[in-house]
Amino acid sequence: GAGVSQTPSNKVTEKGKYVELRCDPISGHTALYWYRQSLGQGPEFLIYFQGTGAADDSGLPNDRFFAVRPEGSVSTLKIQRTERGDSAVYLCASSLTLAGRETQYFGPGTRLLVL
Amino acid sequence: AQSVTQLGSHVSVSEGALVLLRCNYSSSVPPYLFWYVQYPNQGLQLLLKYTSAATLVKGINGFEAEFKKSETSFHLTKPSAHMSDAAEYFCAVKSPQRDMRFGAGTRLTVKP
Repeated sequence: GAGVSQTPSNKVTEKGKYVELRCDPISGHTALYWYRQSLGQGPEFLIYFQGTGAADDSGLPNDRFFAVRPEGSVSTLKIQRTERGDSAVYLCASSLTLAGRETQYFGPGTRLLVL
Repeated sequence: AQSVTQLGSHVSVSEGALVLLRCNYSSSVPPYLFWYVQYPNQGLQLLLKYTSAATLVKGINGFEAEFKKSETSFHLTKPSAHMSDAAEYFCAVKSPQRDMRFGAGTRLTVKP
């Protein structure tokens, strides 16, 4: 079956611009996660959803970052007034439920470069 | 709070040699532990996970890991390295209803 997909695969933008990153989870997965991976680092948690609601957004670095999942499936990560420090690979993952033992399946990521 | 420490950002082994990638965790509650592999320009792929059943966990591609509570460790091993094992490996810890925390990763190089 289809895995987690993310679009675009690469995004180049200018400092101060607004960007949207999209994640399509595995069909039927209720939990969805966003991570940010900087060069040479492990993925860093940003936010996760159970259904349509954000169960935990404590990892969002500041109020320029926002994510939605309006119908409990596709999610969009939105970054306002981008800064060069936002450059990273943004990873999305989904799992069947939020239960700790559930495997998170990762997408290939969106590589964001802010010039 | 939960966290993971991976000892050694780079590990190099010869083809056919033992692979040992170290992971120590910190968690205030019994954790779930995961090892993921990331090949260049690809997403993370689950190798194996510990979910409080057997302490020795077998995964894909001949990898296994042993949960040792007394040492708060979950080291990843493979008896004989293959060239195709060259990749970045991440250990991660998750507590119930909490987010997953990843280590900084260990880059494995396999020499012919």
